[in-house]
Amino acid sequence: SQTIHQWPATLVQPVGSPLSLECTVEGTSNPNLYWYRQAAGRGLQLLFYSVGIGQISSEVPQNLSASRPQDRQFILSSKKLLLSDSGFYLCAWRPKATGPREKLFFGSGTQLSVL
Amino acid sequence: QQQVKQSPQSLIVQKGGISIINCAYENTAFDYFPWYQQFPGKGPALLIAIRPDVSEKKEGRFTISFNKSAKQFSLHIMDSQPGDSATYFCAASNSGSSYKLIFGSGTRLLVRP
Repeated sequence: SQTIHQWPATLVQPVGSPLSLECTVEGTSNPNLYWYRQAAGRGLQLLFYSVGIGQISSEVPQNLSASRPQDRQFILSSKKLLLSDSGFYLCAWRPKATGPREKLFFGSGTQLSVL
Repeated sequence: QQQVKQSPQSLIVQKGGISIINCAYENTAFDYFPWYQQFPGKGPALLIAIRPDVSEKKEGRFTISFNKSAKQFSLHIMDSQPGDSATYFCAASNSGSSYKLIFGSGTRLLVRP
């Protein structure tokens, strides 16, 4: 069965510090991968998605970047965090070629607090 | 045009009552409309989904009603239970756009015992 791992679960970082959140998917190959952010009391905002290794699409101009160095690894980064980067970050994956094409599977999220 | 508008922001229902959450969209190219359920500190999970070729889909106590002409769809939770207390998100996607899901702003549901 497929599983998605996202870490860390919680993170407290000072303003101006770097960020690296990692997400890995097991049990599938060549998935579409996504990073979403959920601000307190708000909906899910799509930040980045990737259809393959090294292929990143950015949805919202911001202080963050994403990379996909391996097929099932998706990394969210920042060189210098801002207060506004605080939020609940969710990694998700979707099968590409088989199975329920539209179903999105989410990780358990990272609660990021920038102080 | 890519937005999905969801209401209400929060909802309190007595146990056994009906919970109704509404969503509206503008993009007529959307062809898939799921609802996700999220418990605190967890990622959302797919609850039920519908395509625009049907007006209603029912799974257990959960029903999606879809009105294509009005560009609206809603989630009905029958016989609401305290365990249904969670945040619910509607979403929409267009099969021509890499299946990117556009989410509504969420509804926090509290079912009182």
